Amino acid sequence: DSGVTQTPKHLITATGQRVTLRCSPRSGDLSVYWYQQSLDQGLQFLIQYYNGEERAKGNILERFSAQQFPDLHSELNLSSLELGDSALYFCASSVLPSYNEQFFGPGTRLTVL
Amino acid sequence: ELKVEQNPLFLSMQEGKNYTIYCNYSTTSDRLYWYRQDPGKSLESLFVLLSNGAVKQEGRLMASLDTKARLSTLHITAAVHDLSATYFCAVVRANAGGTSYGKLTFGQGTILTVHP
Repeated sequence: DSGVTQTPKHLITATGQRVTLRCSPRSGDLSVYWYQQSLDQGLQFLIQYYNGEERAKGNILERFSAQQFPDLHSELNLSSLELGDSALYFCASSVLPSYNEQFFGPGTRLTVL
Repeated sequence: ELKVEQNPLFLSMQEGKNYTIYCNYSTTSDRLYWYRQDPGKSLESLFVLLSNGAVKQEGRLMASLDTKARLSTLHITAAVHDLSATYFCAVVRANAGGTSYGKLTFGQGTILTVHP
């Protein structure tokens, strides 16, 4: 158990819908990262937050957004969902925003029907 | 753009045999990570390699880093069934100022199957 928690574990929804994935980092970690894992794209970095501020953006679609709250938990919002958004979404956390080992949560498996 | 390539992508091993997984990356980095993932599960950190020449060992796994060759290896000794999993290497890209944003760029993963 890495200490990073994610909810829900599974999410099944329909195309066009909107969902919110939640992540709580390890105690003491200030930086949160979101990654997407799919069969065709592999593991891809989406976005990073550090102490409430967006720090880096990767291959995140405009339909997706995220934020980190004052209590350091983070939410990833996915809207206008498409079949291709079906994937495993991981949250990771680290103490500092760079060059720190990242610890991964259990993931949220999103299925879009 | 940083590219990370692993080979082989699929590895079927007999118990008791040795093998090596290779991880090549395309731009300067002095920090490399190895993760293990069981089917449908999260990523478990195996090794953090911080500098050129770094070597770390845990049980039957040994990882090394050659930053000049931009190459890391994960060596498996006397494989056992419990090692069956997908192994990923991941690299943090260094910025010109010597810092990084921390985002990990992953290889494609190596699916390891160990059979009797």
